[in-house]
Amino acid sequence: AQRVTQPEKLLSVFKGAPVELKCNYSYSGSPELFWYVQYSRQRLQLLLRHISRESIKGFTADLNKGETSFHLKKPFAQEEDSAMYYCALRKTGNQFYFGTGTSLTVIP
Amino acid sequence: DAGVTQSPTHLIKTRGQQVTLRCSPKSGHDTVSWYQQALGQGPQFIFQYYEEEERQRGNFPDRFSGHQFPNYSSELNVNALLLGDSALYLCASSPGADTQYFGPGTRLTVL
Repeated sequence: AQRVTQPEKLLSVFKGAPVELKCNYSYSGSPELFWYVQYSRQRLQLLLRHISRESIKGFTADLNKGETSFHLKKPFAQEEDSAMYYCALRKTGNQFYFGTGTSLTVIP
Repeated sequence: DAGVTQSPTHLIKTRGQQVTLRCSPKSGHDTVSWYQQALGQGPQFIFQYYEEEERQRGNFPDRFSGHQFPNYSSELNVNALLLGDSALYLCASSPGADTQYFGPGTRLTVL
C-alpha cells in the first residue's frame, strides 16, 4: 500500500536559517513525488515536482529512492515561507496521496 | 480565468441528510478529482472523473457519489451524512493526467 509520512506537524526556524521539511513514502511502483504549499487564506498550490528537478522560490527537493525520501530544503528561510506544506505521491492514473502536512513558521 | 471554483463556500447539514457540492474546473481542464480534508489531516482522495465517468476511486463508501457534466464541471454527492463527514472538500482539475490545480474548498459541517 502507498503511504506518505511527514513526521513533523510543526517546524519553526529563524529567518535566514536553513530549513528542511521531511517526507518519506512507501510505494511499490515507480513514485512521482510532489510538494504542495498552502499559504494563509489561500488555496493549495503546487510548489515543485521531482521530475522537473527545478528550484521554486529557492526550494529544492531530491528524490532518494534508497531512503524512500523526498525532503524539501531551502538554504535561507524567509518570513514569506511560513505556510503549510504537504508532500504528495502520485499513483498511476493521477491519484494523489498526501501526507498530513508540516506547518512551517519562520521567526523574524 | 478564475481557476477552479467551488460552491458553496460553507454548508451546515444534520445527520442523515444529503448534500451536493459543486466544482467548475479551470478552463481547458477535462479531469476533476475530489478530496476530503479532515481537520489536521492532508487531503484524502475520494474519486476522479474524466469524460463523464468515474475513473479512479479512493477508499470511500458508496454514500459518496459524483457526476461530471459535458462542460467538465462536477458534483460530489454525499448521502446519509454522518458526523465524521464534517471536513473541507476540495476539488482539483487537470488537463488529463497532468498537474492538478485546487479550488478553495467547501467547508461542510454535519451536526
